[in-house]
Amino acid sequence: GQNIDQPTEMTATEGAIVQINCTYQTSGFNGLFWYQQHAGEAPTFLSYNVLDGLEEKGRFSSFLSRSKGYSYLLLKELQMKDSASYLCAVRDSNYQLIWGAGTKLIIKP
Amino acid sequence: ETGVTQTPRHLVMGMTNKKSLKCEQHLGHNAMYWYKQSAKKPLELMFVYNFKEQTENNSVPSRFSPECPNSSHLFLHLHTLQPEDSALYLCASSQDGALAGSDTQYFGPGTRLTVL
Repeated sequence: GQNIDQPTEMTATEGAIVQINCTYQTSGFNGLFWYQQHAGEAPTFLSYNVLDGLEEKGRFSSFLSRSKGYSYLLLKELQMKDSASYLCAVRDSNYQLIWGAGTKLIIKP
Repeated sequence: ETGVTQTPRHLVMGMTNKKSLKCEQHLGHNAMYWYKQSAKKPLELMFVYNFKEQTENNSVPSRFSPECPNSSHLFLHLHTLQPEDSALYLCASSQDGALAGSDTQYFGPGTRLTVL
């Protein structure tokens, strides 16, 4: 079966750096997405990776290793507003999106 | 503002009621989706419409009935629901309906449904 694994919950301190990991086993690969979802709000698109390596967007970066079936989302200079759930999703060979259960990130002052 | 709106934001209904959820996208996209989101579970894809045609129905019970009158509007009609159907129902849209790997889905804020 197809599977996306990410930690259920993480805690970090304001101003610090946190890395949220995502590992996947899917039938084929056509890209990996990261979304941010604040409680009670819509998931919002953060990044898309299809080639190996690091993509940087301001304080957020996303890394992909296709050979390892692994990605991470790196958040720098954490702010209280970064408290949210972070969803990892992989597009498989049928172009279906396979979703992880999300990682709830708690930022403490 | 994501360009995808959903109404109502909250809905409480009894098991014998009939209600409808509405989604509208202002992004000029060709594909629309209904998802169910339950606590600590992955998003569950329910239905997909591409150019107003239904292309996915992931074994969803018949008590959920989708309708897509045009590429900007999507409805989910609900009848005789069960308490386990209580969840957040998310609507999304995308440009191409996954014809490209990078086709990105944009979500509405969801309808929080409680079935008593």
